[in-house]
Amino acid sequence: KQEVTQIPAALSVPEGENLVLNCSFTDSAIYNLQWFRQDPGKGLTSLLLIQSSQREQTSGRLNASLDKSSGRSTLYIAASQPGDSATYLCAVMNNAGNMLTFGGGTRLMVKP
Amino acid sequence: GAVVSQHPSWVICKSGTSVKIECRSLDFQATTMFWYRQFPKQSLMLMATSNEGSKATYEQGVEKDKFLINHASLTLSTLTVTSAHPEDSSFYICSATRPERAKNIQYFGAGTRLSVL
Repeated sequence: KQEVTQIPAALSVPEGENLVLNCSFTDSAIYNLQWFRQDPGKGLTSLLLIQSSQREQTSGRLNASLDKSSGRSTLYIAASQPGDSATYLCAVMNNAGNMLTFGGGTRLMVKP
Repeated sequence: GAVVSQHPSWVICKSGTSVKIECRSLDFQATTMFWYRQFPKQSLMLMATSNEGSKATYEQGVEKDKFLINHASLTLSTLTVTSAHPEDSSFYICSATRPERAKNIQYFGAGTRLSVL
């Protein structure tokens, strides 16, 4: 059974810092990996999706990398802003492409 | 786009009553929809996979008689929490896939917060 772990569980940083969120998964036979943002009491916003054959994806200040063989992904946020404060969820899709397993999330607080 | 709408966004009910949550794909036909549950400060846990016109597939530990899922059309799936109790209070989120595009991309609704008194 796939297990997804995110470290740290919570993170508080001053505005402007570059930061890295970590995600690890136990079964490397994945179809893709996705990073989501969730604001309190809200649904999910997809940030980046990395197919199993890819190594990284970038969108604005966000960069996600994938090392499938070691079961790891990182989400890099450059020049963090208070508006980045949210919970970031990592999710992996199984090889069959029909099941998404989520990590526990990292709660990020960016202080002005 | 690929818009998935959930209704209601928030519901409060008395213990013992049933609550129905709707999940609609607004601009596409969704042959498969997924229902997740999220407890406070925890991650999303898949409850069941719903395919149009057939019975839902429930994950281990999810009571199918308590969480009734109906996917009667290509744009609507419903989750009914029967005889709700305070421990059912949670955030329920649905997602849907577009068969004509990459089957593995799930589009998420905004979620429904259920509070059972």
